[in-house]
Amino acid sequence: GAGVSQTPSNKVTEKGKYVELRCDPISGHTALYWYRQSLGQGPEFLIYFQGTGAADDSGLPNDRFFAVRPEGSVSTLKIQRTERGDSAMYLCASSLDFRDTQYFGPGTRLTVL
Amino acid sequence: DQQVKQNSPSLSVQEGRISILNCDYTNSMFDYFLWYKKYPAEGPTFLISISSIKDKNEDGRFTVFLNKSAKHLSLHIVPSQPGDSAVYFCAAIANSGYALNFGKGTSLLVTP
Repeated sequence: GAGVSQTPSNKVTEKGKYVELRCDPISGHTALYWYRQSLGQGPEFLIYFQGTGAADDSGLPNDRFFAVRPEGSVSTLKIQRTERGDSAMYLCASSLDFRDTQYFGPGTRLTVL
Repeated sequence: DQQVKQNSPSLSVQEGRISILNCDYTNSMFDYFLWYKKYPAEGPTFLISISSIKDKNEDGRFTVFLNKSAKHLSLHIVPSQPGDSAVYFCAAIANSGYALNFGKGTSLLVTP
């Protein structure tokens, strides 16, 4: 079956602009996660959704970052007033339920000029 | 503070030999451990996992060993193949948690 998909695969934007990154999880997976991976580092947790609600957003670095999952499937990560330090690979993962194995999408490479 | 550590940034192994990738952790609340493999321009792919109630889990050429007292785990790949060349991430989940805590990864190169 189809895995986790993310769009766009690459996004280049200018400092101060707004961006949206989309994640389409595996069908039937109730849990969805966003991670961010900077160069030379492992992925770092940003936010976890169980169904439609953000169960844990403690990993979001500041209030410029926001994510939604309105119908319990597709999720959008929104970044306002982007900064150069936001440049990273943004990874989405989904799992069947809480604490099940997480399956990752290919990621969105965000570059802020 | 890095709670999962992979101290070897890179490893080179000859085809057919054993690859051993190591991982240490500091948080005693971690009770579930996973290995992911990542090729360039792709997301991490789940490889194998182990619960803290076990000390070994095997899946084909891949075996993960867990030493809880030493807070250490290792991934063994036997025999290594050129297609195994990738970055391997060790990850851990805390008791009743869900967020994966990753190490920085080890880049494995398997040479023919």
